[in-house]
Formats: sequence, structure tokens, C-alpha cells
Amino acid sequence: GDSVTQMEGPVTLSEEAFLTINCTYTATGYPSLFWYVQYPGEGLQLLLKATKADDKGSNKGFEATYRKETTSFHLEKGSVQVSDSAVYFCALSNAGGTSYGKLTFGQGTILTVHP
Amino acid sequence: DTAVSQTPKYLVTQMGNDKSIKCEQNLGHDTMYWYKQDSKKFLKIMFSYNNKELIINETVPNRFSPKSPDKAHLNLHINSLELGDSAVYFCASSQDIPDTQYFGPGTRLTVL
Repeated sequence: GDSVTQMEGPVTLSEEAFLTINCTYTATGYPSLFWYVQYPGEGLQLLLKATKADDKGSNKGFEATYRKETTSFHLEKGSVQVSDSAVYFCALSNAGGTSYGKLTFGQGTILTVHP
Repeated sequence: DTAVSQTPKYLVTQMGNDKSIKCEQNLGHDTMYWYKQDSKKFLKIMFSYNNKELIINETVPNRFSPKSPDKAHLNLHINSLELGDSAVYFCASSQDIPDTQYFGPGTRLTVL
């Protein structure tokens, strides 16, 4: 079945540092890929998405590129802020088979940014 | 206006009780989902409904029964609650499959 693997956390950075959170996936067909963010005590918010190979999703300074050849969707930000502290989830959604569009999530990466 | 809302936000109850969580979306979406987030933050699909029809039932115990009275609502009823049911339950909706899913704020269920 479909699966998503994220880099182990937690990740602790100083403000203005560069961020990379690795994400790789296993899926049949052509899934859509997502990054969701969960701030403390809140629900999940879509951060960015990509629906086909070589697409780049971007939002709030975050970027991720859909790499089919390496089955990856790594999240990057050039300069993190304290307000970026949250849990980040990589996820995929597949229309095919018995998936019916359900989101399959990675284990989540806790990011803490210090001033 | 809240796009996807859930009630209650917190639910504390004793083992063996029956409880319900309600979800409503005002986005006009056709598909709704229930996810469970465990204590390690791992998220897993439980159910999905498309136009009031069950399309995903992901090996969830029979004690969990979803009900969709209309496209805008998807409720989750849990019978005979167990300690292991303690988690945060999220409702979500999407227009198409696959598509961006919009999540509610979550319901934190604590079983004592």
C-alpha cells in the first residue's frame, strides 16, 4: 500500500536558519503530494501541494518539488522564524485502487525555532 | 465563518460509556473524512463518506460507527469506550478525490 516516510525529529533551529525536512513516498500511480502544518493546539492547515511530477508547491516562504524519479517531496525554507514552530506532516493522496483520495501521512516532524 | 467545525472540542469520559462527536462543513464539499491522531502525533484515516455513502472503512473496530445525515455532516459515534480510544479525532472535507482536504480543529477524547 501507499506509505510516506519523513525525517526523524524533533528539529531545533535558530531564527533565520535554513530548513529542510525530508519526505519520501511509496505509491502506485500518480499521487498528489501535500505538506500540512499543525500549530500547537490547532488542527491541520494545508501549507503547500503538488499534483504532478516536477511541480513546485510554495507558500509563506516554504517550497517543495515533486520528484518522481527519487519519489521525494522535501520541504525547504530559506530563513525560519519563531512563528514557524509547529509539527509538519508530509502526505499523499491517491485516487486509484481502494484509496479513494484518503491522505496517507508521514509520522510528522516537530520543528522548534529559537530566537 | 468556520469552514469545518467539530463539537465538542474536549471530551472526557469513563471507560464503557458511549459518546458522539459531530462534524459540519459549510464548504459545499462532497467528501468527508475522520482521522485519528495518537499520542505520538501519527495520523490515520478511519472513515470516508462521499455524498452520504461510505467509501472508506479502514479496519476500525465495530464500536466506531460513522453517520452522515447529509453531505454537510459526518458524525462519529463510539460505543463502549476503551482506554486506547484516547486520541485527537479530526474531521476533514474535500471537493474532489484526490484533492486538498480541509480539517476541523479536532476533538480531544480522554477515556479514564
